[in-house]
Amino acid sequence: GAVVSQHPSRVICKSGTSVKIECRSLDFQATTMFWYRQFPKQSLMLMATSNEGSKATYEQGVEKDKFLINHASLTLSTLTVTSAHPEDSSFYICSARFGQEAFFGQGTRLTVV
Amino acid sequence: GEDVEQSLFLSVREGDSSVINCTYTDSSSTYLYWYKQEPGAGLQLLTYIFSNMDMKQDQRLTVLLNKKDKHLSLRIADTQTGDSAIYFCAERTGGGSYIPTFGRGTSLIVHP
Repeated sequence: GAVVSQHPSRVICKSGTSVKIECRSLDFQATTMFWYRQFPKQSLMLMATSNEGSKATYEQGVEKDKFLINHASLTLSTLTVTSAHPEDSSFYICSARFGQEAFFGQGTRLTVV
Repeated sequence: GEDVEQSLFLSVREGDSSVINCTYTDSSSTYLYWYKQEPGAGLQLLTYIFSNMDMKQDQRLTVLLNKKDKHLSLRIADTQTGDSAIYFCAERTGGGSYIPTFGRGTSLIVHP
């Protein structure tokens, strides 16, 4: 099956710093990847759609200058949380499209202190 | 109301069957999914069903779809403690939309 690897799995950073999360498709090429945010006991909230070689498409209410997405290759998309604040603490999950399906990474637990 | 609705909790005894229910509102839904999320982990695609199917069985998992009522269920036979997780129902339309709409997840707790 299609494997999506996300790193790091857990990160703690200081308020005001930036954090980069990587999402890689290991055994397939993904022209489209997705970034989600999950709050405790909540569903997944789609943040943005990452398209290889072009700008990401952000969902309404998501600050594109705060959540920078880069999809420079067919196997890698990155999400950078800039100037992180405690309210950015959350579980971030990426997924990559493979055929008709979307396969998910393991998620990244971000804690901003 | 939400586009995809699920009950939040289900508790069963080990060895019993679990049935997790889901309702959705989009009549044009083409693909319906069940994902499993273990604590601190991403989502694992368990199974999916096309809207032109009524039932799909895969080992211990049985998915039933009532398209008229827009109701989807996941039955886990012989539930084990390792099945304890959050189960997400999701749907999406066909065509170019590859973004599923998720329910809030059902937390399945399996007691020994």
